[in-house]
Amino acid sequence: ILNVEQSPQSLHVQEGDSTNFTCSFPSSNFYALHWYRWETAKSPEALFVMTLNGDEKKKGRISATLNTKEGYSYLYIKGSQPEDSATYLCAPLAYSGAGSYQLTFGKGTKLSVIP
Amino acid sequence: EADIYQTPRYLVIGTGKKITLECSQTMGHDKMYWYQQDPGMELHLIHYSYGVNSTEKGDLSSESTVSRIRTEHFPLTLESARPSHTSQYLCASSERGHRLAQYFGPGTRLLVL
Repeated sequence: ILNVEQSPQSLHVQEGDSTNFTCSFPSSNFYALHWYRWETAKSPEALFVMTLNGDEKKKGRISATLNTKEGYSYLYIKGSQPEDSATYLCAPLAYSGAGSYQLTFGKGTKLSVIP
Repeated sequence: EADIYQTPRYLVIGTGKKITLECSQTMGHDKMYWYQQDPGMELHLIHYSYGVNSTEKGDLSSESTVSRIRTEHFPLTLESARPSHTSQYLCASSERGHRLAQYFGPGTRLLVL
């Protein structure tokens, strides 16, 4: 099982603030990195799947970068809104043998945006 | 929009009962997964399937079993529920290809008394 660290564990920001959080993962045996947003009482929803070192992805006010050589990814939210309140999960995809690839999830960063 | 369903959403049951958690998807995805999440912990993969009649165990050992007789259906069964099985169980699916996102169901919260 991979060691995936997400920081901070939780975060409270004011509406309109920009914020970012980190996902660290082993750089060996890396295949892809997934980011998911999980709102309370809903299903986790995919934000990004990133594969290449230096990748940057953007979806509205949310963007992410990837450094596969050092094993980290940053997620940025510009001008946070209350609807951004959720737990953000990262999950590296690694080869697990016998033709299988598995996601290993971090514990997530819980973001609360205060109106 | 993803169409993946889980029933029941909540289940409280006594020790020793047999339970089946249902998961269905209408997207025609070949790959399906079961994850378990204990409170405050990570999602852990317990079972996955790459297609009909294919099932494999994930990185977290589980006493549950799964079957994949139809593409759209991936039920999880516990033959004899125990309090240690109390957890949240999430089902997911994805298309072929390892770099594709997974679509998650709403989860089943299981409480075994």
